[in-house]
Amino acid sequence: SAVISQKPSRDICQRGTSLTIQCQVDSQVTMMFWYRQQPGQSLTLIATANQGSEATYESGFVIDKFPISRPNLTFSTLTVSNMSPEDSSIYLCSVEVGVSGTGELFFGEGSRLTVL
Amino acid sequence: AQSVAQPEDQVNVAEGNPLTVKCTYSVSGNPYLFWYVQYPNRGLQFLLKYITGDNLVKGSYGFEAEFNKSQTSFHLKKPSALVSDSALYFCAVRVLWGNNRLAFGKGNQVVVIP
Repeated sequence: SAVISQKPSRDICQRGTSLTIQCQVDSQVTMMFWYRQQPGQSLTLIATANQGSEATYESGFVIDKFPISRPNLTFSTLTVSNMSPEDSSIYLCSVEVGVSGTGELFFGEGSRLTVL
Repeated sequence: AQSVAQPEDQVNVAEGNPLTVKCTYSVSGNPYLFWYVQYPNRGLQFLLKYITGDNLVKGSYGFEAEFNKSQTSFHLKKPSALVSDSALYFCAVRVLWGNNRLAFGKGNQVVVIP
């Protein structure tokens, strides 16, 4: 298993500002995943963060809007840049434990962002 | 690309009655199937998965799910629901080739009525 700590747990932000979300894992993992869960909707993968290389972004998400850092095997950050009300969402960090592809994901508690 | 359908928005069940949450999937190739639960203001928690082998898999909190290849389904079940089972349930599917992404369904809100 893995224990994942995310912060902030929630924040209220002004339009045009940026916020960085931190994700700390209690063990070393190769890949960390960032998801977005918009109100009443399912999870959408934003990007996969690999240590030592650029993050891999999914269609519809770009590095300028969601820059990601992965300085070591236990930590990652996701920044939501130049926020608008449409960015109001829960952002979740997760890691895979087990054989890659068949293992289960463990999630942080999420960071609930409200953009005014 | 892989996809998951959870046809119901909300499932209401009386405490003590059987609980079923439906999930159908669409993939090219062999699917790897997962169920997750999300309690209010919490992250997702893993319940169970099907990778290979026995079609009936058992997971946490008394839940089980049956993989049905002919019907492309992976319904989640619990013989006797508890009020504490009230939560949001997500089905997810993955294949090990192509984009190798875990695709989540839209989620089902389960309400267990005392």
